[in-house]
Amino acid sequence: AAGVIQSPRHLIKEKRETATLKCYPIPRHDTVYWYQQGPGQDPQFLISFYEKMQSDKGSIPDRFSAQQFSDYHSELNMSSLELGDSALYFCASGLLGVAGNTEAFFGQGTRLTVV
Amino acid sequence: QKEVEQNSGPLSVPEGAIASLNCTYSDRVSQSFFWYRQYSGKSPELIMSIYSNGDKEDGRFTAQLNKASQYVSLLIRDSQPSDSATYLCAVNGIQGAQKLVFGQGTRLTINP
Repeated sequence: AAGVIQSPRHLIKEKRETATLKCYPIPRHDTVYWYQQGPGQDPQFLISFYEKMQSDKGSIPDRFSAQQFSDYHSELNMSSLELGDSALYFCASGLLGVAGNTEAFFGQGTRLTVV
Repeated sequence: QKEVEQNSGPLSVPEGAIASLNCTYSDRVSQSFFWYRQYSGKSPELIMSIYSNGDKEDGRFTAQLNKASQYVSLLIRDSQPSDSATYLCAVNGIQGAQKLVFGQGTRLTINP
């Protein structure tokens, strides 16, 4: 079965540079979530999209932005990178059911290292 | 108070025994509840979802939900060394938002 695909898997950037992370959700899924996970931490919600519209926003810095495109893939853009942005970034996708019960499936993640 | 709380462990269980993982959540109107397993450096893997009070069984896993007590648990029967991982409790619908809020995870070790 098709899974959530993220690219790149690993990314090394210098401070103050810009990074773009991509996510391709499972076909026919209508919801995309982005999470950040630091070492030893639980995943922290950044932002979500439903049918290409932003639906909820979490602890996402102003330096970060995200969007979902007409083909449902999503991109997380990160500017003015800081050392503290080094983390695993996960994208998850789900299908919002009638009762709003969405099972979310995670991609393999992008490991971002800022040096 | 965190919106979703778990005992971070570590929890150590002998092989073949039952592992019991617990989670509480703060928002009474939360709608859906999930257990994810995460191996170190890997992505969370969905293992159970539960939406209504009671028990839900899937192979060696049983999820239990008690909305009155705002409590959800995961039982793993016949624990195997391959079950050693961090188990994340996740709740959707907190404050009406369409997002998964995770607990801090319980690190489980199954001892051969």
